[in-house]
Amino acid sequence: DVKVTQSSRYLVKRTGEKVFLECVQDMDHENMFWYRQDPGLGLRLIYFSYDVKMKEKGDIPEGYSVSREKKERFSLILESASTNQTSMYLCASSLLGLDTGELFFGEGSRLTVL
Amino acid sequence: EDQVTQSPEALRLQEGESSSLNCSYTVSGLRGLFWYRQDPGKGPEFLFTLYSAGEEKEKERLKATLTKKESFLHITAPKPEDSATYLCAVKRDDYKLSFGAGTTVTVRA
Repeated sequence: DVKVTQSSRYLVKRTGEKVFLECVQDMDHENMFWYRQDPGLGLRLIYFSYDVKMKEKGDIPEGYSVSREKKERFSLILESASTNQTSMYLCASSLLGLDTGELFFGEGSRLTVL
Repeated sequence: EDQVTQSPEALRLQEGESSSLNCSYTVSGLRGLFWYRQDPGKGPEFLFTLYSAGEEKEKERLKATLTKKESFLHITAPKPEDSATYLCAVKRDDYKLSFGAGTTVTVRA
């Protein structure tokens, strides 16, 4: 069974802390994505990667960075967490192909920044 | 600006009471419309892909249709296990997905 695993389901951090959210997929997918989900706003794309060491900005990249050192692992980094980054973070992967919209999502990481 | 709007925000149904969810979009170049289901505390799960007006897809009690400006997700004779949030997404000209805020469906036995 295909799987996208996010390392932390719930995190509580303080303003200014550096936060790492880890995501691993076991499907050998080329594309990986980080979204945040907020009530009333839907899912918004933060960053995505279509290959190892490659990254592209999504619609809301400010305050975030990413790392993809291995094909199966995609990390989201908050260099200095702020309260407006309190959200549900969802990682996803997909096969290579510009027209594909079939993403496989992890269960999410709920981050609270105090 | 590309927009995806889903309505209603919430829908409460009696078991067996069929209904439809709407997803309207304004994108400069549609490269596909996708429906997902999301259960509480879980990530979205892919349901359907629609590429062109007139296209329809079915899965169990769900049927998705597409016109030039909107898509409908029809739920026929729903059961309590159909309770979930249904998300619509469109692929834009830049190949990124824009998601709607979702419709939360509750089916009572």
